Amino acid sequence: ETGVTQSPTHLIKTRGQQVTLRCSSQSGHNTVSWYQQALGQGPQFIFQYYREEENGRGNFPPRFSGLQFPNYSSELNVNALELDDSALYLCASSPGTVTDTQYFGPGTRLTVL
Amino acid sequence: QKEVEQDPGPLSVPEGAIVSLNCTYSNSAFQYFMWYRQYSRKGPELLMYTYSSGNKEDGRFTAQVDKSSKYISLFIRDSQPSDSATYLCAMSGDYKLSFGAGTTVTVRA
Repeated sequence: ETGVTQSPTHLIKTRGQQVTLRCSSQSGHNTVSWYQQALGQGPQFIFQYYREEENGRGNFPPRFSGLQFPNYSSELNVNALELDDSALYLCASSPGTVTDTQYFGPGTRLTVL
Repeated sequence: QKEVEQDPGPLSVPEGAIVSLNCTYSNSAFQYFMWYRQYSRKGPELLMYTYSSGNKEDGRFTAQVDKSSKYISLFIRDSQPSDSATYLCAMSGDYKLSFGAGTTVTVRA
């Protein structure tokens, strides 16, 4: 076990709705990264937070946003859901940034109908 | 062209065989190379982490990196049915990981 937890496990939403996914990092890990994994694909980087500030962003639109809190928890928010947003959403925590190993949670499976 | 290319397989081998997996990449800035294992409907689990070119061995697993050819490999010796999973290569030059599509491996008892 990596010590990284995510909630909820599964979620079903309809197109146009908004969703919030949650992650709890390992204690002492100041960095959290979020990834989207479509079925049959590798994870795609969404963004990274370091000490509550966005540290980098992948090729995702602004309707994907995040927050990181001082208690090692974080959120991924997606507005105006689209069918293509259906995927496994993974968070990964690490002590620092560039060279540190990222430890993944079990993911939240989002289905958009 | 994708930044990281990985043959999705599937790959089916008998128990005890050597499993050979590989990825190619195009970004010369990548310096850190990883292999993750992912069971169905689970998060990726780190198997191997290497920096720059060379070999690294950990039990039945050997990771190889050839930066001159932009090619990385993972070998699994004496494969077991419990090794059946999807194997993802990942690499990084900065703050984000870039993943291959994953290779699905089945080890037949």
